[in-house]
Amino acid sequence: DTGVSQDPRHKITKRGQNVTFRCDPISEHNRLYWYRQTLGQGPEFLTYFQNEAQLEKSRLLSDRFSAERPKGSFSTLEIQRTEQGDSAMYLCASSLGSGTGETQYFGPGTRLLVL
Amino acid sequence: GESVGLHLPTLSVQEGDNSIINCAYSNSASDYFIWYKQESGKGPQFIIDIRSNMDKRQGQRVTVLLNKTVKHLSLQIAATQPGDSAVYFCAENRGLTGGGNKLTFGTGTQLKVEL
Repeated sequence: DTGVSQDPRHKITKRGQNVTFRCDPISEHNRLYWYRQTLGQGPEFLTYFQNEAQLEKSRLLSDRFSAERPKGSFSTLEIQRTEQGDSAMYLCASSLGSGTGETQYFGPGTRLLVL
Repeated sequence: GESVGLHLPTLSVQEGDNSIINCAYSNSASDYFIWYKQESGKGPQFIIDIRSNMDKRQGQRVTVLLNKTVKHLSLQIAATQPGDSAVYFCAENRGLTGGGNKLTFGTGTQLKVEL
């Protein structure tokens, strides 16, 4: 399968713990996005990378959240001192950007439950 | 006490009938829209897109109509099949710094196909 992959698929953690999620984009896709989706809602944009550069961050991305894409390939999203409100599905998408309007391909997501 | 949750709008159709899913947007400057399908436990999957210089675009069994006057778009699925059962989102695509694109998703509509 050459689609976007995410790991882990599910994560249960206790409030206050740190968690890290990984996203592997489609090979050679230069753009990578993170979204968050809560139950019954559409995904909400969190942040975006072009190659290894993080070019945009949403106000939803508090100081407890950090994302990296060190070599311009896979990306990690870390949440420090998790809170119950962080419980959501975290989706990664990638695209081959060559201007505006490229198609974003989504991974299966990591479902986080904070107890 | 009673719990109150968010309920997705639901459209129930008989197998073989046509489905029409509607979406309204508020920003008259929006110029690019995408429809995504999300099955349970999966990430959103691209269906079809349309730019504001078009009123209609057709794909395989799907048609998207855009009415810029009333800021409304619709997704029509012909001969609906059980495999079409999913949540459908319309998303507005906006350009970001460096050329990336932010998707802003609507609430979503749950399509249920009855046999």
